Amino acid sequence: AQSVAQPEDQVNVAEGNPLTVKCTYSVSGNPYLFWYVQYPNRGLQFLLKYITGDNLVKGSYGFEAEFNKSQTSFHLKKPSALVSDSALYFCAVRDRAGAGSYQLTFGKGTKLSVIP
Amino acid sequence: DGGITQSPKYLFRKEGQNVTLSCEQNLNHDAMYWYRQDPGQGLRLIYYSQIVNDFQKGDIAEGYSVSREKKESFPLTVTSAQKNPTAFYLCASSPRDRDYNEQFFGPGTRLTVL
Repeated sequence: AQSVAQPEDQVNVAEGNPLTVKCTYSVSGNPYLFWYVQYPNRGLQFLLKYITGDNLVKGSYGFEAEFNKSQTSFHLKKPSALVSDSALYFCAVRDRAGAGSYQLTFGKGTKLSVIP
Repeated sequence: DGGITQSPKYLFRKEGQNVTLSCEQNLNHDAMYWYRQDPGQGLRLIYYSQIVNDFQKGDIAEGYSVSREKKESFPLTVTSAQKNPTAFYLCASSPRDRDYNEQFFGPGTRLTVL
């Protein structure tokens, strides 16, 4: 079974400060990990994914995420937050051991508020 | 949202009625998915289809039905058996050539039962 936890329902950060949105996962094998962003009443937009190799993954809009296998984490980061980054962020996982199934398991989401 | 359309954007239904949500994609993706989103619960998988004329139940399939007669289309019917259908419904699609492909999402349909 695969699962994802986003321990914070909401994160508040001042504009210009670095931001971190946390994600931990559980899989039986090795993971593929994804981050998505959702603006109000819209669909999800893909930000970045970890497949293999370099533990630091760079994505859209200046976001990056760090894969940490020992801590089973995949935290989303940005060096300098913008007010326009305010949205709902979802982490998702797929277990490589589940080859043949393309199902993603999503976390419950973290609402990011960037304060001007 | 590009490449996947969902209609209507807002839908109101009376209790006891079936209603069908449309999802169309022009991305030539084999796999398509339906999710339900409720506040504070993230996305939950209702049904998915990896190829035309085949589909599988997800985690919360009870009270829902789907069909996949064409590659481009994956409509979802919310039946009267679904006890709490008010939610935001998201359709997604992905290629099947690699198992690490990301999913592409439509803009969603908000269903309200009156």
